[in-house]
Amino acid sequence: QQQVKQSPQSLIVQKGGIPIINCAYENTAFDYFPWYQQFPGKGPALLIAIRPDVSEKKEGRFTISFNKSAKQFSLHIMDSQPGDSATYFCAATRSATNKLIFGTGTLLAVQP
Amino acid sequence: DSGVTQTPKHLITATGQRVTLRCSPRSGDLSVYWYQQSLDQGLQFLIQYYNGEERAKGNILERFSAQQFPDLHSELNLSSLELGDSALYFCASSVGLAGAGETQYFGPGTRLLVL
Repeated sequence: QQQVKQSPQSLIVQKGGIPIINCAYENTAFDYFPWYQQFPGKGPALLIAIRPDVSEKKEGRFTISFNKSAKQFSLHIMDSQPGDSATYFCAATRSATNKLIFGTGTLLAVQP
Repeated sequence: DSGVTQTPKHLITATGQRVTLRCSPRSGDLSVYWYQQSLDQGLQFLIQYYNGEERAKGNILERFSAQQFPDLHSELNLSSLELGDSALYFCASSVGLAGAGETQYFGPGTRLLVL
């Protein structure tokens, strides 16, 4: 059973565009929602994370929007750059464990 | 560079064989996690160790086992290998005290190819 659903599978935007990646979860016990960025040949790296007690979090050009009632959260990348081209994974976990449940990933290409 | 090291970087072996993947966590981190990344299953949590003790288990096959040693490095043992075990295996580490919300730092991975 897939507990975190992620869409789209791939995304192409022009430089300066605002790609949006969406995730939905099922387990209401989840209380921490990180986003990871992965470049080819590298391990995932934490980008930004949010807890369900806030509806939005910004760090630089990256923003997470969180809708607790809909059990959905999304990543927005402002003023996207070719260097942002990577695979993005949403994830979820709960306080009893730090076991990350990952979405299926979104391959983002930012064209110059 | 996350500070997590994994060896070897690549591993090619045959079906039925046994391999050992090694992970050294960041200095000071007590928790080690193992994840498997494959095209069909995505990124999946396998197992977590905290200060030498197993803390959480995920979708880890019975043919796979892991341990964390007193110096905190960890090894993932994969035995009776099958073609479907071909994947990227990542180790991650965290301080290990705060539960959810602790940043997990991922290593560069070991790419396993079973022929």
